[in-house]
Amino acid sequence: DGGITQSPKYLFRKEGQNVTLSCEQNLNHDAMYWYRQDPGQGLRLIYYSQIVNDFQKGDIAEGYSVSREKKESFPLTVTSAQKNPTAFYLCASSATSRWEQYFGPGTRLTVT
Amino acid sequence: GENVEQHPSTLSVQEGDSAVIKCTYSDSASNYFPWYKQELGKGPQLIIDIRSNVGEKKDQRIAVTLNKTAKHFSLHITETQPEDSAVYFCAASIYSGGGADGLTFGKGTHLIIQP
Repeated sequence: DGGITQSPKYLFRKEGQNVTLSCEQNLNHDAMYWYRQDPGQGLRLIYYSQIVNDFQKGDIAEGYSVSREKKESFPLTVTSAQKNPTAFYLCASSATSRWEQYFGPGTRLTVT
Repeated sequence: GENVEQHPSTLSVQEGDSAVIKCTYSDSASNYFPWYKQELGKGPQLIIDIRSNVGEKKDQRIAVTLNKTAKHFSLHITETQPEDSAVYFCAASIYSGGGADGLTFGKGTHLIIQP
């Protein structure tokens, strides 16, 4: 069953802790993306990677870090430096030869 | 950077009527304009997209139009049905041969289909 998997669906953390969100795809897509969505808002780009071992900052990269060691995986770490980490986090992927981006089901992170 | 404005924020229409959602963008280099449908608690679903070399695209009850000169594009849904109720997002990006940059999204339109 092909697609994008994000786990867990819900994540709870205490303030000051780092947390890593998982994103895996078996679509053989080269590019992967992380977006953040706040209530009543559009999605905002955090980081993206068009190839293994390379990634670029998006519009709101401060307080986040990523790695791209494997084509199928693009984990996002929300660090304690992120001032407002509570949000809905969405991962997407696309093939280099195609224009479309497809999204995973998202992880809702709550930090208290 | 790119800025995408989307209107209206909420749209209520009677079942069977048409719905139109409009977006404007700021970066003339943007060449790819997708539309997504998002249901509560789920990831966005791509429903239709258009590239800058095309003025209009249709897929059954859904159509998108693009005016590059005015830098605006619109989503048209005809014969609306209850299952069309959701939040719709427009987006813009620059696609080059090496792949797409990230998408810049509008803030969304909550479409409500009244029975």
